[in-house]
Parts: sequence; C-alpha cells; structure tokens
Amino acid sequence: DQQVKQNSPSLSVQEGRISILNCDYTNSMFDYFLWYKKYPAEGPTFLISISSIKDKNEDGRFTVFLNKSAKHLSLHIVPSQPGDSAVYFCAASDYGQNFVFGPGTRLSVLP
Amino acid sequence: DTEVTQTPKHLVMGMTNKKSLKCEQHMGHRAMYWYKQKAKKPPELMFVYSYEKLSINESVPSRFSPECPNSSLLNLHLHALQPEDSALYLCASRQTGGREQYFGPGTRLTVT
Repeated sequence: DQQVKQNSPSLSVQEGRISILNCDYTNSMFDYFLWYKKYPAEGPTFLISISSIKDKNEDGRFTVFLNKSAKHLSLHIVPSQPGDSAVYFCAASDYGQNFVFGPGTRLSVLP
Repeated sequence: DTEVTQTPKHLVMGMTNKKSLKCEQHMGHRAMYWYKQKAKKPPELMFVYSYEKLSINESVPSRFSPECPNSSLLNLHLHALQPEDSALYLCASRQTGGREQYFGPGTRLTVT
C-alpha cells in the first residue's frame, strides 16, 4: 500500500513558466512533508519542507502548498529553469522514525 | 555545512566477495540512515541508527550488515551479495529534533 503517491511520472514545462508537482498521502499520522530533487547517480537534495500546522511555505522560486483535509501537497516552481530538470520526490514523516518517499516525478524544463 | 560523504563512489564485486561502504558526516547529526535505490524507483529504507544504536532494520537480508562505530561514521558491510542487490546505496543523516534528512551522493554497487 503506497502511503505517498505522485501520480504523474513525468511533466514537461516550457522555460519561464510554472511547474506544479503534486503529491498525495494516505497516512493521517504524517505531520511533516518534504520535497527532494534528484539528478541521476546522485543523492537526493533537500529542497523545501512544510509542517502540517502550515498551509504554505515559500523559498525563492519554490513554494509548497499543503491541503491537510485533502491529504494533498504541491510544489510550485516559478519561473522554471532548464537546470530544474530532475526527478522530484515528495516525502512524508511522522513523529517516529517513519520516513516515506513517493515514487517521484520527472520534470523536464524545455528551453 | 550540510555535507554527507560516501565512499567509494562506484563498487563492482563478485558474489563471494566481502566489501564495505562508508558514510561520514561532521554536522553533529545523531540519526543516520542507509537506503537502497533501484533505477526509476524511490529510495527504500534499510537501516536507521539513532545515537549509534540500531533502531530500525527493515527486514534486510543478513548479507547486509550495518555498523556505526561513532557518531560521525556509518558503515555497511556486504557479503555474499546477489546480482539483484546491484543498486545505488544512499546514506543520510538527520539532526536531533530536525525532520530533514541530508543525503550523500551514494555508492553505485554492481554485483557480478
């Protein structure tokens, strides 16, 4: 049973436009959510996170929105740049040691 | 400094070999993790160490043996691996009280 889902395996966006990556979760015990970016043959790089007590967190071009009632979060990248092309993983954790990754979305930003 | 280092970067080993992967961080993080990642899949948790004690073992076969000699160092000892164990092995660490995990670059392991 997938506790963290990213239903779009891939997404293509034009440079300069907005990229929106979506993530859904099923476990109500998750209270902290993270986005990681990963290039091939490298480790995931932490991008941005959000606690369940917030509904929005912003860091430069990256904004994460959380809708707790829908168990849904999204990552917005504005404006998208070719260097943003990578696989993006959504991850969720509870207050224990549980830390679960979604399957990832491959973002391609076209020049 | 949010750096986690892993050595070696690449490793090719036969099924009868014994080898070790090494992970190091000097951020004072007291939780360290081993993950395995296959192509086009998310990282899968293998082991968690908290304050140098093994706190989670996600039903990993005994041919993988973790070790945490001190708070900065994490090893993964490999013995009698199978070709299906070929993967990217990732190490991560987390600050006490923090929720973000910081990952190393990984070791690409190929078992022949």
